[in-house]
Amino acid sequence: DSGVTQTPKHLITATGQRVTLRCSPRSGDLSVYWYQQSLDQGLQFLIQYYNGEERAKGNILERFSAQQFPDLHSELNLSSLELGDSALYFCASTLGVAGTTDTQYFGPGTRLTVL
Amino acid sequence: EDKVVQSPLSLVVHEGDTVTLNCSYEVTNFRSLLWYKQEKKAPTFLFMLTSSGIEKKSGRLSSILDKKELFSILNITATQTGDSAVYLCAVSGASGSRLTFGEGTQLTVNP
Repeated sequence: DSGVTQTPKHLITATGQRVTLRCSPRSGDLSVYWYQQSLDQGLQFLIQYYNGEERAKGNILERFSAQQFPDLHSELNLSSLELGDSALYFCASTLGVAGTTDTQYFGPGTRLTVL
Repeated sequence: EDKVVQSPLSLVVHEGDTVTLNCSYEVTNFRSLLWYKQEKKAPTFLFMLTSSGIEKKSGRLSSILDKKELFSILNITATQTGDSAVYLCAVSGASGSRLTFGEGTQLTVNP
């Protein structure tokens, strides 16, 4: 158990819908990262937040957005869903922005299926 | 753009065999290289390497980094069926702590 929690575990929805994925980082960690893992693309970095502020963006679509709240949990919002958005979405956390360690601890993931 | 290439993509061995997994990378302002093991769930951290030539060990697993040749290897000795998983290599560079992952090596250990 990494100490990172994600909900829900599984999500099945239809094209065009909007969903919200939630992540709580390890206790004391200030940075949260979101990754998407699909069969054809591997693990792709989406976005990073540090202490409530966006720090880095990766291959995140405009239909996707995220935020980190004062209690440091983070939400990833996916809208106008398409079949190709079906994937595992992981959240990871570390203590700092690019701090004393780059070791990222991953949550169990949310499996999103878009029908 | 940072890039990580792992080889082989897939490997099937028998219990007791020793395997070597390879990871080569291109990254701006290298900070660290990490190895993860992924079974049917989230990646779990194995090693973080920042310095060349220093071997990290954990039980039957070990890893070493060559910053001159831009690669790392992960060795697993006396493999067991429980070692069956995808092994992921990732690097962090000038972009900060975000990780760029390779495609992974699917290791299958047969009894």
